Amino acid sequence: EAQVTQNPRYLITVTGKKLTVTCSQNMNHEYMSWYRQDPGLGLRQIYYSMNVEVTDKGDVPEGYKVSRKEKRNFPLILESPSPNQTSLYFCASSAAGGPIHGYTFGSGTRLTVV
Amino acid sequence: LAKTTQPISMDSYEGQEVNITCSHNNIATNDYITWYQQFPSQGPRFIIQGYKTKVTNEVASLFIPADRKSSTLSLPRVSLSDTAVYYCLVAPGSNYQLIWGAGTKLIIKP
Repeated sequence: EAQVTQNPRYLITVTGKKLTVTCSQNMNHEYMSWYRQDPGLGLRQIYYSMNVEVTDKGDVPEGYKVSRKEKRNFPLILESPSPNQTSLYFCASSAAGGPIHGYTFGSGTRLTVV
Repeated sequence: LAKTTQPISMDSYEGQEVNITCSHNNIATNDYITWYQQFPSQGPRFIIQGYKTKVTNEVASLFIPADRKSSTLSLPRVSLSDTAVYYCLVAPGSNYQLIWGAGTKLIIKP
């Protein structure tokens, strides 16, 4: 089944403890992206990657890092999480050409930083 | 990127046809119109995309008038499971940075 898989689904952590949220897609998509979703603020893009070794900042990149060493994986790294990074995170992918093909989203990771 | 305006919420009943209209007055020539559906705590799901006139797939139709300043998502014979938030997005086909609005919360009643 074609899908984007995120792990973990739920994560509670403490301020300052580095964490990684993994994202993997099995559709051979060139493009991958991370979003966060907060009540009243909608979906906001954190980082995106147009292909392997190519990443760029979205609208809210502060406090996050990403890497794209292989086409299928696009992990999101929080080096020093803070409570304002408590949110619902989604990874998405699409074929080359981006939105014209539609995005496939993962099921989400609900992160709580205390 | 074109700004979109949608109703914040809509109600309808099972078996009815639901039309959700999105306004995008400053749409550019190379912009496409895309609709997504999102259930609580799930990622958005691509529904349909169009450039002009009418597009139909197995779940919805998308109507786009000649001036392209608006679009209407049509859901035929809705069921309770169609209760969700629906997002209208407008962006060039090659643009990877989509701006997501608040969407339309659609509630289907028995």
